Amino acid sequence: DIVMTQSPDSLAVSLGERATINCKSSQSVLYSSNNRDYLAWYQQKSGQPPKLIIYWASTRDSGVPDRFSGSGSGTDFTLTISSLQAEDVAVYYCQQYYNNPRTFGQGTKLEIK
Amino acid sequence: EVQLLESGGGLVQPGGSLRLSCATSGFTLKNYGMSWVRQAPGKGLEWVAGLRGSDPTTYYADSVKGRFTISRDNSKNTLDLQMNSLRADDTAIYYCAKAGAEWEHYFDLWGQGTLVTVSS
Repeated sequence: DIVMTQSPDSLAVSLGERATINCKSSQSVLYSSNNRDYLAWYQQKSGQPPKLIIYWASTRDSGVPDRFSGSGSGTDFTLTISSLQAEDVAVYYCQQYYNNPRTFGQGTKLEIK
Repeated sequence: EVQLLESGGGLVQPGGSLRLSCATSGFTLKNYGMSWVRQAPGKGLEWVAGLRGSDPTTYYADSVKGRFTISRDNSKNTLDLQMNSLRADDTAIYYCAKAGAEWEHYFDLWGQGTLVTVSS
């Protein structure tokens, strides 16, 4: 199984500041035949289901604000929120869909400082 | 509107069975991979089971293999999860999740979830 490890486990950032969450996979999730990284990011607010925000490591889902961006390739990935807003308080998960079983990172709890 | 709505959760004794259902709308179920993902109280996300869109191939997490069965009824637009030999560590919110395409895709839509509690 591919193990997904996020860092940090929790993060407190001031409003308007940048938030950065890292995700590392135990093996590459880059599919060489199409040069795509099979890596997604989800946001889960308290009491709600997860919501897709980033797929193919760097593509924002429809309606996701452009302050959210994803980067990285192979085994190391980053989710960046360029200017934190109050509504961004949530737990963020990375997930690989390169192979089975699908696996998630343990989550990073993002709070306001 | 594209939507997923789970039902069937509840309280069940250890060793018991439960069948979850996910009603889908707004898309053609047979064209998309579907999965069940669970979340134990206060914990992270765990993928449980999935099936491809175009064929009956199914996949399971080791933790549920041999106990859970995922299935789909394209005529009723529903996705089911039959859960047998339930254990306390199966207690979780169970989410139905739609893949962005046939299978090798991210989960672009999630239901609200249904709570399963396994306890005597």
